[in-house]
Amino acid sequence: QVQLVQSGAEVKKPGAAVKLSCKASGYTFTSYYLHWVRQAPGQGLEWMGRINPSGGSTSYAQNFQGRLTMTRDTSTSTVYMELSSLRSEDTALYYCARGYNSGYFDYWGQGTLVTVSS
Amino acid sequence: QSALTQPPSASGSPGQSVTISCAGTSSDVGGYNFVSWYQQHPGKAPKLMIYEVIKRPSGVPDRFSGSKSGNTASLTVSGLQPEDEADYYCSSFAGDKRVFGGGTKLTVL
Repeated sequence: QVQLVQSGAEVKKPGAAVKLSCKASGYTFTSYYLHWVRQAPGQGLEWMGRINPSGGSTSYAQNFQGRLTMTRDTSTSTVYMELSSLRSEDTALYYCARGYNSGYFDYWGQGTLVTVSS
Repeated sequence: QSALTQPPSASGSPGQSVTISCAGTSSDVGGYNFVSWYQQHPGKAPKLMIYEVIKRPSGVPDRFSGSKSGNTASLTVSGLQPEDEADYYCSSFAGDKRVFGGGTKLTVL
């Protein structure tokens, strides 16, 4: 069965960077894009960007240009999301999600809580 | 890319129908038949309910249906059940980007 297992919660200081992981299993890793979506406390879903595990190409939302980097390791079927220059507004639950070409997300990770606090 | 526009709340009594709208632009909702809807219960990850405007994944009750007209998509929940109380989010393909709506809290009275 398809599973996306994310790394554990993080606490970071403003200005620091955080790197989260999302390990995929149960399907061919290189056949589907993986996306990152975040949800601030009590707020809605926000698309951050995606990576094509086959080749590594990326696309990021304009809000995160310059601060966001997505990478992948095909040997372990894992994608990584690094967000730098953290501020308090980046405190959120971060999800990875498997995406189809037609834009929908059929499987989601369990989410990773990132808290940014001095 | 601006967020899609959803009403913040909707409600209905058990057995009734409720429709949630999702307004976008010709660059997202109106430009592609690639709108999806997600249900999220508190403390849980979102769950895919509708994809490609009208399609239902296996296991999603046929009480849930989707439609689109121009730049606005809609999710209709018929025969409301208590377990349908949740937050609902629309999402659209937008070229190499994706965009979500702000979410609608559905209350079953």
